[in-house]
Amino acid sequence: TAGITQAPTSQILAAGRSMTLRCTQDMRHNAMYWYRQDLGLGLRLIHYSNTAGTTGKGEVPDGYSVSRANTDDFPLTLASAVPSQTSVYFCASSEEPRADTQYFGPGTRLTVL
Amino acid sequence: AQSVTQPDIHITVSEGASLELRCNYSYGATPYLFWYVQSPGQGLQLLLKYFSGDTLVQGIKGFEAEFKRSQSSFNLRKPSVHWSDAAEYFCAVGARPGQNFVFGPGTRLSVLP
Repeated sequence: TAGITQAPTSQILAAGRSMTLRCTQDMRHNAMYWYRQDLGLGLRLIHYSNTAGTTGKGEVPDGYSVSRANTDDFPLTLASAVPSQTSVYFCASSEEPRADTQYFGPGTRLTVL
Repeated sequence: AQSVTQPDIHITVSEGASLELRCNYSYGATPYLFWYVQSPGQGLQLLLKYFSGDTLVQGIKGFEAEFKRSQSSFNLRKPSVHWSDAAEYFCAVGARPGQNFVFGPGTRLSVLP
């Protein structure tokens, strides 16, 4: 199985523009997550979804929004990108919410200029 | 709230040498503990996890970790490192349903031939 796919692989974006990072999983997992990875800070949770139709805020949600219209897809949207959102973004999923093993996608490298 | 520290930002070992990566956590109850590995340009892969029971857990690729409640530690070990083990290693702590994962800042492992 493919597991988790993310698109695009990388992107350069002008400040002020909007962008949606895509994430799709084929494992029928209930929970999905978006993290950003920054040097020296590890991974920080942006938003999560415990099941289709519900979302929640993580540690660093400002400037980001998510939706979970179905089980498989969990897009992350930057409405008006700023340079501080330059990062590597990882989508993850787990069979059940929180405290369970998480499976990660390959990541999207985003540069905001 | 839980937190994770990884005191070593970067470790260099020779191929064939033993390895220990340190992880300390802060959490009021028995946590769920994880070690993930991230190879260059890749997503995170689960190495091993501890939920309960035997405090010495075995993972993939010959890694093991020991949970020591008295020291709030969950150090990762490998008796003989291979060049392919060069990667970034992340310790993470999760709680029972109600809280999300918290990742440590990561330890970068370099392996000398």
